[in-house]
Amino acid sequence: ETGVTQTPRHLVMGMTNKKSLKCEQHLGHNAMYWYKQSAKKPLELMFVYSLEERVENNSVPSRFSPECPNSSHLFLHLHTLQPEDSALYLCASSQDRASGTGELFFGEGSRLTVL
Amino acid sequence: QKEVEQNSGPLSVPEGAIASLNCTYSDRGSQSFFWYRQYSGKSPELIMSIYSNGDKEDGRFTAQLNKASQYVSLLIRDSQPSDSATYLCAVSRLAFGKGNQVVVIP
Repeated sequence: ETGVTQTPRHLVMGMTNKKSLKCEQHLGHNAMYWYKQSAKKPLELMFVYSLEERVENNSVPSRFSPECPNSSHLFLHLHTLQPEDSALYLCASSQDRASGTGELFFGEGSRLTVL
Repeated sequence: QKEVEQNSGPLSVPEGAIASLNCTYSDRGSQSFFWYRQYSGKSPELIMSIYSNGDKEDGRFTAQLNKASQYVSLLIRDSQPSDSATYLCAVSRLAFGKGNQVVVIP
C-alpha cells in the first residue's frame, strides 16, 4: 500500500460505545495529524504528533484520545461521543516536522456517525 | 486565533474560462500558504503551495500571494469539468478556510 491509509472508512457508533480510528502512513514522514471536517465548517486541527511526540492539542474534548505508537501509525480512540461529533475525521502526514512548512498528505478519511 | 476567510457561495464557470478564488487570513506572521482541492467524498489533495509574495504558476494553476494585504488567490485557467471540486485555502497547517465550490459547466 502507498500513501496514507485510514480504517475504518465508515463507522456508526452509539454514545456509550468505545471505538478507535486507525491511520498508517507509508511515506516515511515525520509528523502525523488528526483533523475533523464537519459540514459547512473549516477543517479543524485536533492533534499533531512530531516524531511520536504530541506537539499540539487544540482544546479537544477528552472523549477523543490520540495515540502514536511509532512514526507510521496514529490512532484516535473514541468514547462516550456526542451526536455533534459526527464528522469526517482525516489523518494526514508531512515529511518535515510539525513546525515545518511543507504540504500535508491526507488519508481518505473515516466517516463517523454518532447515534 | 488564526482565521482564514474564503468568499462564500459556489462559483460556476463555463468550460475554458478562468476561475478565480480568493482567500484572506488574519495572522500577519504566517509563512506558508496552500490550496487544496477536494472532490466530493474524497480527501483534500495539494494543488499549490506558495511562500513568498508574487505569483507562482504550475500548469493551468496560478497562486498569488500578497502578505501586506494578507490575501492569497488561486486562478484556474482553461477550466475543465474535472476541475469541479471544493478548493480549500490553508495557512500553515493550522488554519483552513471553509472552501469554495467550483462548478465547471461544459
